[in-house]
Amino acid sequence: SAVISQKPSRDICQRGTSLTIQCQVDSQVTMMFWYRQQPGQSLTLIATANQGSEATYESGFVIDKFPISRPNLTFSTLTVSNMSPEDSSIYLCSVGSRRTDTQYFGPGTRLTVL
Amino acid sequence: EDQVTQSPEALRLQEGESSSLNCSYTVSGLRGLFWYRQDPGKGPEFLFTLYSAGEEKEKERLKATLTKKESFLHITAPKPEDSATYLCAVQAITTSGTYKYIFGTGTRLKVLA
Repeated sequence: SAVISQKPSRDICQRGTSLTIQCQVDSQVTMMFWYRQQPGQSLTLIATANQGSEATYESGFVIDKFPISRPNLTFSTLTVSNMSPEDSSIYLCSVGSRRTDTQYFGPGTRLTVL
Repeated sequence: EDQVTQSPEALRLQEGESSSLNCSYTVSGLRGLFWYRQDPGKGPEFLFTLYSAGEEKEKERLKATLTKKESFLHITAPKPEDSATYLCAVQAITTSGTYKYIFGTGTRLKVLA
């Protein structure tokens, strides 16, 4: 399976600011995804990061709040914009294998908004 | 509505005390069911993929099984290092014809020495 890294691993931010999270994979992958895991809850898909085109967002998530870039097949960023305390979560990127449909997850970014 | 429900929410076992975790699902167009282990502060670690009813997969003390309505993760003679949250996810067809994962809320397992 691919090795996935995320930066930063954690951050504490002030209300109203923005944070960009990076996801780097050690091999080229077709599918990359961004998830949110709020305290005590399960994973919720934010969007699919598409290489060379706009991300596909799930219901309840919009591009203005969570802009995503995917400049190539090994890298993606998720920005959490105009943050509020409700955005405090773990943000996870994952990559998918078309052959097996299995997704592999990065270590996550723990975000706390004050 | 597509839904995944895991039970129990939390489970405490003595070392060596075998048990099962349940994942029940209602989803249209099931493509696969996945089990993950998540340690505190880390991303989910892939364990198993199951595709069809009757399928079983094993890894060390863990065995996953699948029926048409639910999946079980059996833990045989658990050890303290098996303590983690176990997540179940199904891959379902979306209204646009693509596939996405739907996760359950997980079972927090604590194995006492």
